[in-house]
Amino acid sequence: QSVLTQPPSVSAAPGQKVTISCSGSSSNIGNNYVSWFQQLPGTAPKLLIYDNNKRPSGIPDRFSGSKSGTSATLDITGLQTGDEADYYCGTCDNSLSAVVFGGGTKLTVL
Amino acid sequence: QVQLQESGPGLVKPSETLSLTCAVSGYSITSGCFWGWIRQPPGKGLEWIGSSYHGGITYYNPSLKSRVTISLDTSKNQFSLTLSSVTAADTAVYYCARLVGHLDWVFSGVVATTYFDFWGRGTLVTVSS
Repeated sequence: QSVLTQPPSVSAAPGQKVTISCSGSSSNIGNNYVSWFQQLPGTAPKLLIYDNNKRPSGIPDRFSGSKSGTSATLDITGLQTGDEADYYCGTCDNSLSAVVFGGGTKLTVL
Repeated sequence: QVQLQESGPGLVKPSETLSLTCAVSGYSITSGCFWGWIRQPPGKGLEWIGSSYHGGITYYNPSLKSRVTISLDTSKNQFSLTLSSVTAADTAVYYCARLVGHLDWVFSGVVATTYFDFWGRGTLVTVSS
C-alpha cells in the first residue's frame, strides 16, 4: 500500500485534457513540495514537475501541477499518443522521515 | 549534463547480499546534493530505498533500514547500495538518482524543495537460486 494514493488508470482522447490526482496527508503533501514523474514503457522515470508546479527545462507547458491542502494534481492538456505512460507523484513524509511515491497512474490515450 | 549509471550483478541468490554501484559524471557528488536509490518490482510502482549526503547524513526507508547501507566514494565520484538477506521480494529494477534539496531540513520540519532530477537507466536484479 502506497502512502500517496493515485487512481490506477485514466484515459482520454487525443487533444483532450486529463487530470491525475495524488492524495496524501498532513505529514507528507500537506507540508512538503510535490514532484511528478513520467515513466514511458521500459525507461527510467523522468521529472515532469517539481515544487508543486514548476517545470524543468524542456518540459512542455502542456504539463502543469498544483497542490491544495493534502492533495496534488497533474494536468496534461492537448493529449498526444506519446503521452501514454505511467505517472507518479512523490514527496517527503516527515512522520516517516522518508521519501514516498504514489502507486502510479497509467495514462491511456484512446 | 549529469549522468548516472548503475552496475552490478543481475542475479543474486536468496539470503545473500545485493551490491550495486552508481557512477556519476558531469557533477561532483560532494557538491551539495543527496544521492539515492529507488527500486521498482516488475509491474509495480516506485519504492524509495534511501538517500545519502556527502558529510555523513543518510536516510533509509524504514521498511528496509535493517538490511540497507548506502555509501559514497568521493575518490571515484560514485555511490553504492548493499542490501543484505535478499529474498524473491527484492527482485526489481534498481535506479540511482540525484536528489536536489536537503532531506535533513525537510525531515526537521522546514518546508524546502526536494526532488529527484537525474536518474540512471536502471538495472534489473533478480533474486533466485
